[in-house]
Amino acid sequence: KNQVEQSPQSLIILEGKNCTLQCNYTVSPFSNLRWYKQDTGRGPVSLTIMTFSENTKSNGRYTATLDADTKQSSLHITASQLSDSASYICVVTPQTGANNLFFGTGTRLTVIP
Amino acid sequence: EAGVAQSPRYKIIEKRQSVAFWCNPISGHATLYWYQQILGQGPKLLIQFQNNGVVDDSQLPKDRFSAERLKGVDSTLKIQPAKLEDSAVYLCASSLDPLDRGEQYFGPGTRLTVT
Repeated sequence: KNQVEQSPQSLIILEGKNCTLQCNYTVSPFSNLRWYKQDTGRGPVSLTIMTFSENTKSNGRYTATLDADTKQSSLHITASQLSDSASYICVVTPQTGANNLFFGTGTRLTVIP
Repeated sequence: EAGVAQSPRYKIIEKRQSVAFWCNPISGHATLYWYQQILGQGPKLLIQFQNNGVVDDSQLPKDRFSAERLKGVDSTLKIQPAKLEDSAVYLCASSLDPLDRGEQYFGPGTRLTVT
């Protein structure tokens, strides 16, 4: 079972609308949780990073939240733009052990005019 | 600063052929990673280097995949012979310090299609 699950798998929204992407994880203990944006044909680019003690982190129109008790994170996108069309990947870094990151399978967001 | 460079960007080969990918990490980054990303999935770590030494290659199919990082800078990933299921994007990433957990910078990837 994947230790990082994302939902929905894909999402289509109208330009200007808001949306929220979900990430549930079982990695524990963890060092930090990141949200990456991956444009088609590009490598992932970090949007936000939160440690286990942080509840929220913003980067422009992107706001990530973290509930370490329920092991859930969300990424909220405000006033979506066509350029937000991409895959959004939740990545959890374990606190100890291997340096491997645990990647979710991503949410494919399509913003239409 | 310049990002992680990869080449080629695209490659189409027939099954049983060989292929090699190249990666140049961000200058000064000691740690280099190769990931395989199959369409619709998150990246899967294949191999991690610390300078020119292998830290983790537990998920590398060693019967057909090999990687090296001579001189602790550039790296090459080779597949020989390729199978249809190797069709994927191969991402290279680098980080300054493996203890700087999670701060990895990714290259644009090489999209491999095996026919």
